[in-house]
Amino acid sequence: SAVISQKPSRDICQRGTSLTIQCQVDSQVTMMFWYRQQPGQSLTLIATANQGSEATYESGFVIDKFPISRPNLTFSTLTVSNMSPEDSSIYLCSVGPESSYEQYFGPGTRLTVT
Amino acid sequence: EDQVTQSPEALRLQEGESSSLNCSYTVSGLRGLFWYRQDPGKGPEFLFTLYSAGEEKEKERLKATLTKKESFLHITAPKPEDSATYLCARGIREKLTFGTGTRLTIIP
Repeated sequence: SAVISQKPSRDICQRGTSLTIQCQVDSQVTMMFWYRQQPGQSLTLIATANQGSEATYESGFVIDKFPISRPNLTFSTLTVSNMSPEDSSIYLCSVGPESSYEQYFGPGTRLTVT
Repeated sequence: EDQVTQSPEALRLQEGESSSLNCSYTVSGLRGLFWYRQDPGKGPEFLFTLYSAGEEKEKERLKATLTKKESFLHITAPKPEDSATYLCARGIREKLTFGTGTRLTIIP
């Protein structure tokens, strides 16, 4: 399975600011995904990011709040914009191999907004 | 509505005490049922994929089974290191919908 890293691993941010989270994979992958895991909750898909096309957002998530870049087949970024305390969560990226539907996850970025 | 329901929410077992975790899901368009393990502060770790009713997969003390509307994760003679949250997810095309998980604690 792919080795996935995320930066930063954690951050504490002020309300109204933005944070960009990076996701790096050690091999080329077509599909990358961004999830949010709120405290004590399960994972919710934010968007799917395919290289060379616009990200596809799930219901309840919008590009102005969570802009995503996917410049190549090994890298993606998620920005959390104009943050509020409700954005305090763990943000996870994952990748899906083309041969199957399973996904492999990065270690996550723990974000606290004060 | 796309739903994945896991039970129980939490389970405490004595070391060596076998049990099962349940995952029920809506059926239409299923493209796999996935089990993950998540330790505190870490991303989910992939365990199993099941594609069709009757399928079973095993890994060490864990065995996953699938029926038409449910999946079970059986844990046999668990050890304290098996303590974690176990998540199941339903696949629809390339997307995963996760359940809320079962928090498993194994007491030495």
